[in-house]
Amino acid sequence: DIQMTQSPSSLSASVGDRVTITCRASQSISRYLNWYQQKPGKAPKLLIYAASTLQSGVPSRFSGSGSGTDFTLTISSLQPEDFATYYCQQSYSTLSITFGQGTRLEIK
Amino acid sequence: QVQVQESGPGLVKPSQTLSLTCTVSGGSISSGGYYWSWIRQHPGKGLEWIGYISYSGSTYYNTALKSRVTISEDTSKNQFSLKLSSVTAADTAVYYCARYSSRDNWFDPWGQGTLVTVSS
Repeated sequence: DIQMTQSPSSLSASVGDRVTITCRASQSISRYLNWYQQKPGKAPKLLIYAASTLQSGVPSRFSGSGSGTDFTLTISSLQPEDFATYYCQQSYSTLSITFGQGTRLEIK
Repeated sequence: QVQVQESGPGLVKPSQTLSLTCTVSGGSISSGGYYWSWIRQHPGKGLEWIGYISYSGSTYYNTALKSRVTISEDTSKNQFSLKLSSVTAADTAVYYCARYSSRDNWFDPWGQGTLVTVSS
């Protein structure tokens, strides 16, 4: 299985900050990388697919980049509603889909 | 707009079979381009893909769970189901159903999730 490793595991930031979360794959996955946001007690929500394509309705302060093994999710100016846990997910191996362990974004 | 919703028992005894159903509204599970998926999340932990069933009825499972998992569909009811046999406390988790796009390779939408506890 392709292992997905996110860093950091947790992060404290303030409203208005620019934040970057990293996801690294154990082998090249081209651009088959998605990002999800999960709030407590809720299901994950798709933010970005194919490494950099913003899902419809997602604010433009979210952006994604990367290819191969290294990917980033950036929030350009944190809003109060952005404090959540973020997961990356690889879909390169569609018979063995895997997620990162999550990055918890907390208010400083 | 497609919506998915899980249903099933919240408590299962050890060694028994966990059974959940996902009801799809706003679209047909037989329409091309989508796989119908199960994903679980252990309490306070990350996400684990369990498997999915394609629009043509083919199934694909996580190798770690493959010997215990069956995903099936009922097109007449526009539902798909998960069966996980020989459960233990390690199978206690929130179980989500979700639609997977075979073209764009994402999960969306997700159901709200249902907590299944394995306990005697």
